[in-house]
Amino acid sequence: GQNIDQPTEMTATEGAIVQINCKYQTSGFNGLFWYQQHAGEAPTFLSYNVLDGLEEKGRFSSFLSRSKGYSYLLLKELQMKDSASYLCAVPNSNYQLIWGAGTKLIIKP
Amino acid sequence: TAGITQAPTSQILAAGRSMTLRCTQDMRHNAMYWYRQDLGLGLRLIHYSNTAGTTGKGEVPDGYSVSRANTDDFPLTLASAVPSQTSVYFCASSDSLSGANVLTFGAGSRLTVL
Repeated sequence: GQNIDQPTEMTATEGAIVQINCKYQTSGFNGLFWYQQHAGEAPTFLSYNVLDGLEEKGRFSSFLSRSKGYSYLLLKELQMKDSASYLCAVPNSNYQLIWGAGTKLIIKP
Repeated sequence: TAGITQAPTSQILAAGRSMTLRCTQDMRHNAMYWYRQDLGLGLRLIHYSNTAGTTGKGEVPDGYSVSRANTDDFPLTLASAVPSQTSVYFCASSDSLSGANVLTFGAGSRLTVL
């Protein structure tokens, strides 16, 4: 079966760096997605990793280790607007996404 | 602005009543999805459609039905609502069935069943 594990909540300070982890179990691997969801809003796409390593996209970077079943999202120079939930998801064999419960990130001044 | 439109934004419904949540996209995406999101749980797939004229069951399909008469519209119907169907419902679409299947979501419909 498939399973995704993320921390429920994290707190960080404005201007700092935070790493949000995602452990996954999947029978096959078709990539890993990160989405951002502000409270009361729809999820929006952040990143997609299919190869091992770090992919940087501005202040946000995403890392993947397929051998360890592990990914993280790295957010630098945190801003108050980064307060949101961050959702990790992996496709199943039918390319339907299986979602983690999300990590709520609280940014403090 | 191109995207997905969901209606209604929110609704309170008496148990036993029927309800249809509407979803329309203008991106000409082939695939469309209905998810429900509950506190403490990940998004769960209810039904999906890979292309107009076809539908499939997701992880939690019981109590829900869908149709896909054309590319743009993908309504979700609750035939006889129950309190456990209280949730936020998101419609989504994508133009690819490959692994790099980026979803675009609607703003959501908050449904309360009393």
